Amino acid sequence: QKEVEQNSGPLSVPEGAIASLNCTYSDRGSQSFFWYRQYSGKSPELIMSIYSNGDKEDGRFTAQLNKASQYVSLLIRDSQPSDSATYLCAVNMISYSGTYKYIFGTGTRLKVLA
Amino acid sequence: GAGVSQTPSNKVTEKGKYVELRCDPISGHTALYWYRQSLGQGPEFLIYFQGTGAADDSGLPNDRFFAVRPEGSVSTLKIQRTERGDSAVYLCASSRDGISGNTIYFGEGSWLTVV
Repeated sequence: QKEVEQNSGPLSVPEGAIASLNCTYSDRGSQSFFWYRQYSGKSPELIMSIYSNGDKEDGRFTAQLNKASQYVSLLIRDSQPSDSATYLCAVNMISYSGTYKYIFGTGTRLKVLA
Repeated sequence: GAGVSQTPSNKVTEKGKYVELRCDPISGHTALYWYRQSLGQGPEFLIYFQGTGAADDSGLPNDRFFAVRPEGSVSTLKIQRTERGDSAVYLCASSRDGISGNTIYFGEGSWLTVV
């Protein structure tokens, strides 16, 4: 089982619709979760972080976390063509040295159709 | 610096050659990470430094890969006897410290092509 799993997509949604991106993780001890956006040929940039169960909203983006189910999601409301990118889920996992490292999923490619 | 800086941005090398990739983290960030990303994949963890020491090097694929951070700031990823399979984008990231919850910030990457 991969440590962080995402559906690779592509996920296609029409402009103005809600895009729903999902991620599951294997380490029950993980405490911090991140969504990054990566445009083709560019480096990942942070969209949102979430640490507590429930929803966290920031503009058109909502992150949802359920630690019991080891599941984190990202909703993008009113999707725009400029949202077309790969969305990476990252989980902060404890390493063998007792410190934390960030493990990424393979990413979900989102296409917003104009 | 204002952001994470990586050099070179692009490197083409011949199979079997030695390569060094450099990362200059955000000023004051004590945690530094190296990742490798192949086409269509997410960033693959290689190594994490807290200060000068490698806190976790479990992601280094084999002994051809080595990384240092002698003064706790700039880091160099070294690849010996390069193979075509090493071709990828090598991403460096930094965070304020290694505490859970801190955001990591990426550089623009070093695109390595082994021919």
